[in-house]
Amino acid sequence: DAKTTQPTSMDCAEGRAANLPCNHSTISGNEYVYWYRQIHSQGPQYIIHGLKNNETNEMASLIITEDRKSSTLILPHATLRDTAVYYCIVRERNSGNTPLVFGKGTRLSVIA
Amino acid sequence: GAGVSQSPRYKVAKRGQDVALRCDPISGHVSLFWYQQALGQGPEFLTYFQNEAQLDKSGLPSDRFFAERPEGSVSTLKIQRTQQEDSAVYLCASSRGGGSSYEQYFGPGTRLTVT
Repeated sequence: DAKTTQPTSMDCAEGRAANLPCNHSTISGNEYVYWYRQIHSQGPQYIIHGLKNNETNEMASLIITEDRKSSTLILPHATLRDTAVYYCIVRERNSGNTPLVFGKGTRLSVIA
Repeated sequence: GAGVSQSPRYKVAKRGQDVALRCDPISGHVSLFWYQQALGQGPEFLTYFQNEAQLDKSGLPSDRFFAERPEGSVSTLKIQRTQQEDSAVYLCASSRGGGSSYEQYFGPGTRLTVT
């Protein structure tokens, strides 16, 4: 079973920041938070991951609360191409041999 | 560079037919995963290969499902005597593998419809 809880859907105006929350209250000390997204008719795409510090890359920022029980993925300037299902996944470090456990994710609709 | 490719992209099978789905992972990637994604759901794990060894097949739903990766590169997922409940998108993912948590790169999937 997925160890995360996400809202089913969200809307965001084009050009505005999209903030996607995720609860992972049972996360353990050696588990990372990963985010993937799946655009319609494509396979999931890796976005970002983090342990406890905030992370930023060219796609997004990841803010993890100090107690690590929740996190927020931020798309700073959402475009129509960011419309997708976003999955928050917790995963142990050194778990390259284990599968990803997806929940139902959040369907983000970016509106012009 | 080339990503993960899958073929065919779409497959329609009559109930009872056998199907074979192909996955070409990124060159040099050690790990290969198969997932099944039902409509409106997140992908669910089927099986995992490290090189040519199938190390985990705990997600295969029945003995009608069979996967192989004989030379540690291309993989084939075979479904025998297809049933309507097999209708789904089948996703393949590869990663550099090993113990570290390298991200997985997914192909576009094969949409299987069993009529």
